[in-house]
Amino acid sequence: DADVTQTPRNRITKTGKRIMLECSQTKGHDRMYWYRQDPGLGLRLIYYSFDVKDINKGEISDGYSVSRQAQAKFSLSLESAIPNQTALYFCATSDLRGDYRTDTQYFGPGTRLTVL
Amino acid sequence: TQLLEQSPQFLSIQEGENLTVYCNSSSVFSSLQWYRQEPGEGPVLLVTVVTGGEVKKLKRLTFQFGDARKDSSLHITAAQPGDTGLYLCAGASGANSKLTFGKGITLSVRP
Repeated sequence: DADVTQTPRNRITKTGKRIMLECSQTKGHDRMYWYRQDPGLGLRLIYYSFDVKDINKGEISDGYSVSRQAQAKFSLSLESAIPNQTALYFCATSDLRGDYRTDTQYFGPGTRLTVL
Repeated sequence: TQLLEQSPQFLSIQEGENLTVYCNSSSVFSSLQWYRQEPGEGPVLLVTVVTGGEVKKLKRLTFQFGDARKDSSLHITAAQPGDTGLYLCAGASGANSKLTFGKGITLSVRP
C-alpha cells in the first residue's frame, strides 16, 4: 500500500464550485505540504503544516485553504474554483528528526484538477 | 527569494549518450536534493548533497554540489530509456524553511 495517498486522482469541476482534495499518510510524519505543478513553472508551495496545530501559507496560498484534521490527514480546499487553478496537485510529507539538510519529502501520486 | 534555475529545460537524446544538466542559484543552500518524477507519479528523491564539492554516485548517475554550495550538476552516463522523466532540484536553507524547487528538466531518452 502507498504511504501517501491522495483522493481523488482526477477531478473535473466547474467555475465557482467548492472542491476538496484529500491527503492521507501512513508514514507517521509530522510535516505535510501541498504543492501545485504547472508546465514550465515547476512545483510551487501552497500551504504547509509542521504539526497538527501548525498551518503556514506558502508562496501561492490565495484562493486556497487547508485543514489538518490529524497527524495523518491534510486537506486542501478551493472555496470557489477558477480556471487558472487547473493544475496537478501534490501532497508531500517529511519527518524532521535529524539533520534538516537531509530531510526527504515523500510525495503522493497527485490529483489532476480541471476547472472549466 | 531564493531561486533555483535548471538547464536545459528540455533534453532529448539517444540511448547510450552521456549528458549533464545543471541547477544554479545566486544563493547559498545548506543542501541540494535531486528528485525524479515519472508521468502519473509524484517526485521521488534520488540524492541529497550537503558538503560543498561533494560528489555522489548512484549507478550511472553522478551528482556534484558546487564548492560554494550555490549550484549542482547531474551527469548521466550511457543514458537508457528508463532515465526518461522530469528531474527536479530542490534546495534547503534552514531548519524551519521550506524546500525551494527548480522548474525541472524534462529528459527524453530515445531507444
